[in-house]
Amino acid sequence: AQSVTQLGSHVSVSEGALVLLRCNYSSSVPPYLFWYVQYPNQGLQLLLKYTTGATLVKGINGFEAEFKKSETSFHLTKPSAHMSDAAEYFCAVSKLGGGKLIFGQGTELSVKP
Amino acid sequence: GAVVSQHPSRVICKSGTSVKIECRSLDFQATTMFWYRQFPKQSLMLMATSNEGSKATYEQGVEKDKFLINHASLTLSTLTVTSAHPEDSSFYICSASLYRNNEQFFGPGTRLTVL
Repeated sequence: AQSVTQLGSHVSVSEGALVLLRCNYSSSVPPYLFWYVQYPNQGLQLLLKYTTGATLVKGINGFEAEFKKSETSFHLTKPSAHMSDAAEYFCAVSKLGGGKLIFGQGTELSVKP
Repeated sequence: GAVVSQHPSRVICKSGTSVKIECRSLDFQATTMFWYRQFPKQSLMLMATSNEGSKATYEQGVEKDKFLINHASLTLSTLTVTSAHPEDSSFYICSASLYRNNEQFFGPGTRLTVL
């Protein structure tokens, strides 16, 4: 079985500060890992994904995440927050090869001026 | 590329009526489409997986007769909420993928409000 835990339902940072959103997963098989962003009343947009290969993954809008198998983590970071980054972020896992997605609970990111 | 649309974006209906939500892949053929439900401030819960030309696979706890899913073509899947009640009010999101195990592309969602 697979599961995802996002630590912190709400994270608040100042504009220009580091963004760190935490995600830990549980999977009995090699996982595919994803980060999605959702703006109010909209669908999900893929930020980045890890499938195989390089463990540091770069995504859109300056975000990146590192797959750490030993820690079963896939934390999302961005060096400098922008006001437009304020949104809901979801970490998700699927089995190797893709398919059904299991989502974490979501983390709401607020950015203060 | 990989654009998925949903229609309507927002619907309000009376209790007891049925509502149909369409999910379309605009620039690719989606052999598999997924339907999710999202309550306010909560995560997405997978309701069912539909494959073109076959019956949908529902997740545990999802009523098949309540949420009818049809995937009649490679670009269209529909979710019909039958005899809707206020507790069915939610944000419904679909996603589509080229193959069952490929990346999912998400639609913009449909806000259903049942009065």
